[in-house]
Amino acid sequence: ILNVEQSPQSLHVQEGDSTNFTCSFPSSNFYALHWYRWETAKSPEALFVMTLNGDEKKKGRISATLNTKEGYSYLYIKGSQPEDSATYLCAFPAISNSGYALNFGKGTSLLVTP
Amino acid sequence: EAQVTQNPRYLITVTGKKLTVTCSQNMNHEYMSWYRQDPGLGLRQIYYSMNVEVTDKGDVPEGYKVSRKEKRNFPLILESPSPNQTSLYFCASSLSLAGGLNTGELFFGEGSRLTVL
Repeated sequence: ILNVEQSPQSLHVQEGDSTNFTCSFPSSNFYALHWYRWETAKSPEALFVMTLNGDEKKKGRISATLNTKEGYSYLYIKGSQPEDSATYLCAFPAISNSGYALNFGKGTSLLVTP
Repeated sequence: EAQVTQNPRYLITVTGKKLTVTCSQNMNHEYMSWYRQDPGLGLRQIYYSMNVEVTDKGDVPEGYKVSRKEKRNFPLILESPSPNQTSLYFCASSLSLAGGLNTGELFFGEGSRLTVL
């Protein structure tokens, strides 16, 4: 199992606040970094798949950056809204001893209150 | 509509009674995978399949079997369920790119909540 670490574990912000969280992954043998959004009682949905060092992706108020040399990615949410409340997962595909795995972090749980 | 369909969505069963959770995708994806989600542990991969008749163990394969006889279907079999297999299970699929490594996004099913008494 390759280590994918996410921080913070949880976050509580007020509506309108901007926020960001971190995903750390092994910097060697990099192929891609995925971000998923997982709302309660639903299934995870892909936000971004990032493949290039320095990549920046944006979807509405959510954006992500990637640093493959130092092994981290940031997810930013600008002007958080209550509907942004969800768990945000990052995942790192890699070949391991057991073959080919998509290793997920444990997620950052975001709560946005009005 | 592109989707991954799991059945059943909810199941309560007893120890030792064999069960199968079906998974079907309509996107012609090569790659399919099963995950379990447990509090504090995140999503852990059980088994995956790179294509028809090609399956391999993930991080937590003990107590599970899979098969991939057709591209669209990837059932998860619990031959003799035990209480420690009580969990929320997700099936997912994606295109396999870049020589077999998954750089494409995963599409998840809606989840199957299994309780083993």
